[in-house]
Amino acid sequence: LQLQESGPGLVKPSETLSLTCTVSGGSISSSSFYWGWIRQPPGKDLEWIGSIYYDGSTYYNPSLKSRVTMSVETSKNHFSLKLTSVTAADTAVYYCATEPSGGSYRLDYWGQGTLVTVSS
Amino acid sequence: QSALTQPASVSGSPGQSITISCTGTSSDVGGYNYVSWYQQHPGKAPKLMIYDVSNRPSGVSNRFSGSKSGNTASLTISGLQAEDEADYYCSSYTSSSSYVFGTGTKVTVL
Repeated sequence: LQLQESGPGLVKPSETLSLTCTVSGGSISSSSFYWGWIRQPPGKDLEWIGSIYYDGSTYYNPSLKSRVTMSVETSKNHFSLKLTSVTAADTAVYYCATEPSGGSYRLDYWGQGTLVTVSS
Repeated sequence: QSALTQPASVSGSPGQSITISCTGTSSDVGGYNYVSWYQQHPGKAPKLMIYDVSNRPSGVSNRFSGSKSGNTASLTISGLQAEDEADYYCSSYTSSSSYVFGTGTKVTVL
């Protein structure tokens, strides 16, 4: 299973950050996985953003929940992240990852990450 | 949800064993056996090393082991090797149905 993030590397303050994670080597419609997003500000620690199941059910980090929307596009075998009203504090490397759908909570496979900078 | 507490740095000589601690609360580490550990080399994505407190994914060296006591989880690296030099993060499932990560530990091989 391989994951690849894509999207704009630069977003203006107050605008919406939009990223896509394309899945290869497996189907996003698989009931075996949740699909997640994690971010890491430069030189700082990891922060889990949220996860989505193929049926669209989601669970989000409570601290970001009001600004986050995730979706799944089965026809394109990818899932997406939208983060609204961004500020400089949202500058980070954004990773997508998989987690098993039952009996465990862990992040198995990770994309290589994409740097998003919030700046005017 | 506050980050789990890890030591900022741990070091050891080749061949030695080191242990990294990860302290949380009864709402995360202490409440669930869903602690995982990730290794991150500079500029690279994290790699899962331990899950469900003490399980190793296929392909991860048996030099890596995990344990938990109360609200504190631990990662032990035995027979330390130069390639083990990296940042290590713990993570736990939480009572808020979310994940929380640790503050990260830089492992240096002397």
